[in-house]
Amino acid sequence: DADVTQTPRNRITKTGKRIMLECSQTKGHDRMYWYRQDPGLGLRLIYYSFDVKDINKGEISDGYSVSRQAQAKFSLSLESAIPNQTALYFCATSGPGDTGELFFGEGSRLTVL
Amino acid sequence: GQNIDQPTEMTATEGAIVQINCTYQTSGFNGLFWYQQHAGEAPTFLSYNVLDGLEEKGRFSSFLSRSKGYSYLLLKELQMKDSASYLCAVVDSNYQLIWGAGTKLIIKP
Repeated sequence: DADVTQTPRNRITKTGKRIMLECSQTKGHDRMYWYRQDPGLGLRLIYYSFDVKDINKGEISDGYSVSRQAQAKFSLSLESAIPNQTALYFCATSGPGDTGELFFGEGSRLTVL
Repeated sequence: GQNIDQPTEMTATEGAIVQINCTYQTSGFNGLFWYQQHAGEAPTFLSYNVLDGLEEKGRFSSFLSRSKGYSYLLLKELQMKDSASYLCAVVDSNYQLIWGAGTKLIIKP
C-alpha cells in the first residue's frame, strides 16, 4: 500500500460544483502539502500545513480551501469549481530532517467541464 | 522574481550519457532537489545538493555550483526506464520549494 494515498484518483465534474480531494498518509509526518501540476509549468503550492493547528496559503490558494482533520489527513476543497482548475493535484508529506524531501501521493486528476 | 530554467525536452540513446541542466535565480538558497517523474505518476526523489560539488549515486550524479546558480543531473548507462521528466527544485530563503517546469527525457533504442 502507498504511504501517501489520494482519493479520488480521477474526477470529472461541472463548473460550479463543490469538489473535495482527500489525502491520508501512514508515514507519521507532520508536514503536508497540496500542489497542482499543469503541462509546461512547475509544481505550484496551493496550501501547506506543518501540524494540525497550522494551515498556510501557498502561491495559488485562491479558489481553494483545506482542512487538516488529523495528523494523517489533509483535504483540499474547491468550493465552486471552474475549468481553469482542471489539473493534476498532488498531496505530499515531509518529515523531520535537514533535506525536507517530499513524499508524493499518486495524484488526483481533476477535469472541470 | 524567482526563476528556475530547465530544457523542455531532451533525447538520448540507450546506453549513452545525458546531462540535464538547471539554472536558478532565487531569493536565497537552502538546497536543490532533483526528482524523477514518470508520465502520469508521482515525482520521486533522486538527489539533494546543498554544498558545491558532485554527488554520485549509482548511475545518477548531481552537481551544484552555488556561485553560478547552476546544477546538472548526469545519467549514465541510460536505460529505457529512464524515460521520464526530471524536475529541478530550489529551496529559497523562506524554505519554500521553487520548482522548474521539468525536462522530458526521451530514450531511443
